[in-house]
Amino acid sequence: QSALTQPASVSGSPGQSITISCTGTGGDVGNYNLVSWYQQHPGKAPKLMIYEVTKRPSGLSNRFSGSKSGSTASLTISGLQAEDEADYYCCSYAGGNTYVFGTGTKVTVL
Amino acid sequence: EVQLVESGGGLVQPGGSLRLSCAASGLTVSNDYLTWVRQAPGKGLEWVSVIHGGGSTFYADSVKGRFTLSRDNPKNTLNLQMNSLRPEDTAIYYCARVGYGDGFDIWGQGTMVTVSS
Repeated sequence: QSALTQPASVSGSPGQSITISCTGTGGDVGNYNLVSWYQQHPGKAPKLMIYEVTKRPSGLSNRFSGSKSGSTASLTISGLQAEDEADYYCCSYAGGNTYVFGTGTKVTVL
Repeated sequence: EVQLVESGGGLVQPGGSLRLSCAASGLTVSNDYLTWVRQAPGKGLEWVSVIHGGGSTFYADSVKGRFTLSRDNPKNTLNLQMNSLRPEDTAIYYCARVGYGDGFDIWGQGTMVTVSS
């Protein structure tokens, strides 16, 4: 159950697009389309942004999108806004009724 | 409104025990998949345990044999019994609902557990 690998930080200017990667193995990301993404502001609980690799919860901005290729999933934030500045975590089903989170990425809006 | 509220956190000595609770409203704990996720101070999220609607429970290797997840259906509450606590168990503990597609779609506000002498 090793954590999925994410870049420690990603930054962009308002209006730009950024992409956060999440690299796992054939035992988790590569084998299941059950990757989710979470946004966490300081001192707050995480918030679901993407599930099943590409799906957005009802009411969530379409500026957030997800994809996957092989054992690497990605979250793209388009039209970056100040309120997008937060920590982002990926999570994958890892078989055997277990889950594994990514190491987390701090997004900074310049 | 669907809501999860954790309680039971606090300071405990290494080797001690603590029981966390997660009170649910707007959902029925006996029907839903519910999970615990923790976050050590300044660190990332770590999955801890899940209980399925049928009552089966599963754990991360880091807590297996020490933590026990259960439900109190009349109280509509999820409980996490934590034994043999270690300093590395120090974290905010969140309960969450496992929604469609295994996304954790509803989260509580978290409860802090500190294991220290």
